[in-house]
Amino acid sequence: DAGVIQSPRHEVTEMGQEVTLRCKPISGHNSLFWYRQTMMRGLELLIYFNNNVPIDDSGMPEDRFSAKMPNASFSTLKIQPSEPRDSAVYFCASSFGQGGTEAFFGQGTRLTVV
Amino acid sequence: AQSVTQLGSHVSVSEGALVLLRCNYSSSVPPYLFWYVQYPNQGLQLLLKYTTGATLVKGINGFEAEFKKSETSFHLTKPSAHMSDAAEYFCAVRGSARQLTFGSGTQLTVLP
Repeated sequence: DAGVIQSPRHEVTEMGQEVTLRCKPISGHNSLFWYRQTMMRGLELLIYFNNNVPIDDSGMPEDRFSAKMPNASFSTLKIQPSEPRDSAVYFCASSFGQGGTEAFFGQGTRLTVV
Repeated sequence: AQSVTQLGSHVSVSEGALVLLRCNYSSSVPPYLFWYVQYPNQGLQLLLKYTTGATLVKGINGFEAEFKKSETSFHLTKPSAHMSDAAEYFCAVRGSARQLTFGSGTQLTVLP
């Protein structure tokens, strides 16, 4: 398996523009997580899905952020409108089952909002 | 609820010296514990995990960690550091929920 695939790897956009980050989880995994990594706040969980259903979105910073998982093989994280403080590395991760199973991470998308 | 505290945001060791990265956790249920490593511009890669059973867990690249319930700790060690070990290391805990809660990370520098 190719692992968790994220696109794009890098994104530079102007403030106010819409940004869409994409994730393809590992085939067969039923949980998907979006994390954000910044120097100031470290790794923060934004939202996670189980069987394509959003379970906990309490980490989504504000209404400008939205996430969808239309099917088991694809998820998007959208920011509209984007702001400079959204600049970070966004990671998608997937896992299967519960308990001691680990999450597998993608390579991340480095977002810069200017 | 779960939380993780990693003591020391930066650790420097000489090549060949012992590596010790500290992690303490808080969990209201028996925890599952993980160590991940992140190399520059890369995602997180699993080093090792503790689920149940043996409290001393061995992982990749010669790393190991010991689960100590009485101390609520899960410190990461490696007997002899190599230059290639330079990276950021994250401790994480999973309780009853599916998601991982991460510590703030420890940047390991290996000096020649």
